[in-house]
Amino acid sequence: QVQLQESGPGLVKPSETLSLTCTVSGGSISSYYWSWIRQPAGKGLEWIGRIYTSGSTNYNPSLKSRVTMSVDTSKNQFSLKLSSVTAADTAVYYCARDLYRVARYPYNWFDPWGQGTLVTVSS
Amino acid sequence: SSELTQDPAVSVALGQTVRITCQGDSLRSYYASWYQQKPGQAPVLVIYGKNNRPSGIPDRFSGSSSGNTASLTITGAQAEDEADYYCNSRDSSGNHLRVFGGGTKLTVL
Repeated sequence: QVQLQESGPGLVKPSETLSLTCTVSGGSISSYYWSWIRQPAGKGLEWIGRIYTSGSTNYNPSLKSRVTMSVDTSKNQFSLKLSSVTAADTAVYYCARDLYRVARYPYNWFDPWGQGTLVTVSS
Repeated sequence: SSELTQDPAVSVALGQTVRITCQGDSLRSYYASWYQQKPGQAPVLVIYGKNNRPSGIPDRFSGSSSGNTASLTITGAQAEDEADYYCNSRDSSGNHLRVFGGGTKLTVL
């Protein structure tokens, strides 16, 4: 079955850019949407944004000015860049496949998820 | 934009039935999905769409929706169901955004 694995630096300095990669195994990255979701310690989940394998993106308006997502289908990977980070960006970052169904009542769901990676913003 | 509201905490006696709710304007147009998260673990999908369970999720988990409220029901709660539960749906703006509820901490007594 499809599995996701996040990777990237666990420590980023304030004002710098956070960069993470999600590697998809057990299936093709093509023809799906892929999302990034984060969770500060002790808090809830926050959707960051999603990318289609064509490169089309949708971002959370609250983060849009700082977020860039990209996809590399040859490597079965997609990536997140978050610029000008502060301590408020310290969180566990998850990647997940973003599925949806068009119906009378449309719906989306995230499955599977990566195990998550902790990114700490500190000098 | 859209917000989804969940009760912060709910408790249930072992073997009893509990309903966890999620309210939001977008739920009038879109079904919710539900995720279970245990400490130190990634969220796991338990319900999506009208009432769909992924493979491996016990049939004591079910979903429903009415008006602006989506519900996750656990019939015969087990000790292993103690976890945080999050709802998720599309944003009602039409911009294909996603939103999560704030989460509900379920305690099984």
